[in-house]
Amino acid sequence: DADVTQTPRNRITKTGKRIMLECSQTKGHDRMYWYRQDPGLGLRLIYYSFDVKDINKGEISDGYSVSRQAQAKFSLSLESAIPNQTALYFCATRRGGTSGLTDTQYFGPGTRLTVL
Amino acid sequence: AQSVTQPDIHITVSEGASLELRCNYSYGATPYLFWYVQSPGQGLQLLLKYFSGDTLVQGIKGFEAEFKRSQSSFNLRKPSVHWSDAAEYFCAVGARTDKLIFGTGTRLQVFP
Repeated sequence: DADVTQTPRNRITKTGKRIMLECSQTKGHDRMYWYRQDPGLGLRLIYYSFDVKDINKGEISDGYSVSRQAQAKFSLSLESAIPNQTALYFCATRRGGTSGLTDTQYFGPGTRLTVL
Repeated sequence: AQSVTQPDIHITVSEGASLELRCNYSYGATPYLFWYVQSPGQGLQLLLKYFSGDTLVQGIKGFEAEFKRSQSSFNLRKPSVHWSDAAEYFCAVGARTDKLIFGTGTRLQVFP
């Protein structure tokens, strides 16, 4: 089984709809991240969480919200989806503690979201 | 401002040929540098990373990268490319702020 799973893998929705993307991990990692990937722009950080009670905005958090329901679960919500939120969304996890950025981020397979 | 530049959007090589993917970064402090690969329909997988020490870093799948501070570069190399290496490659820079800044990616196409 995959260590980092994302559901759904594909979603088509309409403008104005509320959408939730879910991420689960079995790696026991403290830190979780949400990125979006757009062609020609690479990956950009939306939100990240150091633990259940510590959530931080990334560089492009406007229009998104997150919920860290448990150590293993980190959900991304689009309260009112708009077409320019059409993208590939990735969840990632990393071990926390004093090891710093030397630890690898592990990525899920991605969710392709289309907003019509 | 921190940034990562991958000047080549798309590279095509023949199977068995050598490969070099370029990455330049702009960062005020000592950077942590990474190369990730994304195969079609897959998430990103770490190929290698550099934090300190030997500037030539070995990774998985036969890849290596060399950190050149004077050129602000961290180019990825492979001596002989396999068809299975066709993918998109991302360079990233990070620091103790726990954030990674990704380049825009280089798509590698391999011809038989």
